[in-house]
Amino acid sequence: QKEVEQNSGPLSVPEGAIASLNCTYSDRGSQSFFWYRQYSGKSPELIMFIYSNGDKEDGRFTAQLNKASQYVSLLIRDSQPSDSATYLCAVRRGMLTFGGGTRLMVKP
Amino acid sequence: GAVVSQHPSWVICKSGTSVKIECRSLDFQATTMFWYRQFPKQSLMLMATSNEGSKATYEQGVEKDKFLINHASLTLSTLTVTSAHPEDSSFYICSAGAPKGGNQPQHFGDGTRLSIL
Repeated sequence: QKEVEQNSGPLSVPEGAIASLNCTYSDRGSQSFFWYRQYSGKSPELIMFIYSNGDKEDGRFTAQLNKASQYVSLLIRDSQPSDSATYLCAVRRGMLTFGGGTRLMVKP
Repeated sequence: GAVVSQHPSWVICKSGTSVKIECRSLDFQATTMFWYRQFPKQSLMLMATSNEGSKATYEQGVEKDKFLINHASLTLSTLTVTSAHPEDSSFYICSAGAPKGGNQPQHFGDGTRLSIL
């Protein structure tokens, strides 16, 4: 079992819709959780981080964490074509471990 | 926000050449930096953890004699790919952030695309 798992996609949503990206992790001791966005040919950029159970909102982005279920998600409201990228979930307990990423395609 | 600068952004060189990539933290002191490699359409793969003032920690399968890491100051880590061959062609990315156990996010440099002919 991989330490951090993501569906590779592609996840295709129409412009204006909500995109829901999911991530599960195996280490119950994980303490902090991050979402990065990576455009093709570019390095990852941090979008959000969350440490506590519940929701954290920043603009069109909402991160959701459920430690009991070992599940973290990222919601993107009003999806735009410019949101099309690969989204990487990363989990930290000591070291930072990345999932394989989910490719999101937002169609005009 | 935290800024990590990586240089050069693109290198094309002949097989057998050694290539040095620099990673700098511009507005914070980074006791730990990380070097990743990413092949096309694949995920990030951690190569090594660079610790200021001590030897780097390499992930399994990464040749430490081929990928030399130096972290001589709190703001600079370098990765040297020695005697590079075409199979070393990849996208190399550094990141810097909190040392182990910290909750702060890691920030990435812009990456170096290495092409060995």
